[in-house]
Amino acid sequence: DIQMTQSPSSLSASVGDRVTIACRASQTISDSLNWYQQKSGKAPKLLIYGAFSLQGGVPSRFSGSGSGTDFTLTISSLQPEDFATYFCQQTYSIQYTFGQGTKLEIK
Amino acid sequence: QLQLQESGPGLVKPSETLSLTCTVSGGSISSNKYYWGWIRQPPGKGLEWIGNIYYDESTYYSPSLKSRVTILKDTSKNQLSLTVSSVTAADTAVYYCARVNQVAGNPGLLDYWGQGTLVNVSS
Repeated sequence: DIQMTQSPSSLSASVGDRVTIACRASQTISDSLNWYQQKSGKAPKLLIYGAFSLQGGVPSRFSGSGSGTDFTLTISSLQPEDFATYFCQQTYSIQYTFGQGTKLEIK
Repeated sequence: QLQLQESGPGLVKPSETLSLTCTVSGGSISSNKYYWGWIRQPPGKGLEWIGNIYYDESTYYSPSLKSRVTILKDTSKNQLSLTVSSVTAADTAVYYCARVNQVAGNPGLLDYWGQGTLVNVSS
């Protein structure tokens, strides 16, 4: 199965900061990479699909990039509601797998 | 607005079978535009995909769980079900059902989720 590794595992930042989260696949997955946001006690929410396409209703400060094995999620200017855990997910293989998550905390 | 709601026992004994239901409202699980999945999350840990059920009722399961998992759908009730047999403490998790979408050639998008239900495996 395809392993997904996120970095960092946790990150402290301030409102207004630009933040980048990385996700690496153990083999090439083209652009079959999605990002989810999960707030405490809630279900995950789809943010980005196909590596860079913004899901409807998601603010434009979120963006995704990458292809092959290396991907990034960028938040251009952190807002208070963005402090959450973020997961990447590959759908290149029918055996969908997720990264371990990156917890974004307030500095 | 599509809504999904998981339900089932919150406590299951080791070696027994875990059974959950996901009731879907605001849309039909019979639609051939989507399929449906189950995902779980152990407390404080990451997400693990369990399996999918498709329009034609075919299924695909995670190889690590395949021998113990069954996913079914009841179109008359607009419900999905998940059973996991021979459970151990390692099966303790929040279990989610989700709609699986495909947009612009991108499959596997989990675009609607239930709120999740915590299942504790303990004697």
